[in-house]
Amino acid sequence: DTEVTQTPKHLVMGMTNKKSLKCEQHMGHRAMYWYKQKAKKPPELMFVYSYEKLSINESVPSRFSPECPNSSLLNLHLHALQPEDSALYLCASSQDRVAPDTQYFGPGTRLTVL
Amino acid sequence: GDSVTQMEGPVTLSEEAFLTINCTYTATGYPSLFWYVQYPGEGLQLLLKATKADDKGSNKGFEATYRKETTSFHLEKGSVQVSDSAVYFCALSDRSSNTGKLIFGQGTTLQVKP
Repeated sequence: DTEVTQTPKHLVMGMTNKKSLKCEQHMGHRAMYWYKQKAKKPPELMFVYSYEKLSINESVPSRFSPECPNSSLLNLHLHALQPEDSALYLCASSQDRVAPDTQYFGPGTRLTVL
Repeated sequence: GDSVTQMEGPVTLSEEAFLTINCTYTATGYPSLFWYVQYPGEGLQLLLKATKADDKGSNKGFEATYRKETTSFHLEKGSVQVSDSAVYFCALSDRSSNTGKLIFGQGTTLQVKP
């Protein structure tokens, strides 16, 4: 099974709200990723977690705060977002980060910031 | 830095036509190569991959061969169906970088008409 699940599927939030996106995988993968995808563009890497530790932050604004509570879960906490942050947020996982391996993506959360 | 270049779309074909989507790459290390497909409103699905020169990836009638001499990984299918309409992303992951980062092409939209 190569399933990555994400909740919620859709999210609408105001600029003063605080919300969280959730990602889960049960494949025993030790690397997890957050991507942001704007319409008609490829995904852009935001964060990489390896063995539950943040290993890469692609200069993402602090209004996005990732968290990896355990090896199966990845959260993205959102606060004081801007309308330009509206996008599809994709989570992915892979067996490992050090030996580049296949990344498996979830269905994404479509975020709208009003 | 590493990069991936895909042919610009959209590509419009009639059902049962032959498909080629060109992909070329630039990498300093020894990349693994991937094709991902994104159906409307969904996340990315791995279509096929190849990890070394002359490897052929195949899945669901799609094929791509890792050509080191031409730095290419073109996607082909002998007979497309309406259900193949989607955006196709070519991507590479450089084993020498230890980041796990995927480098994506810009994506090619395929529309298949009945």
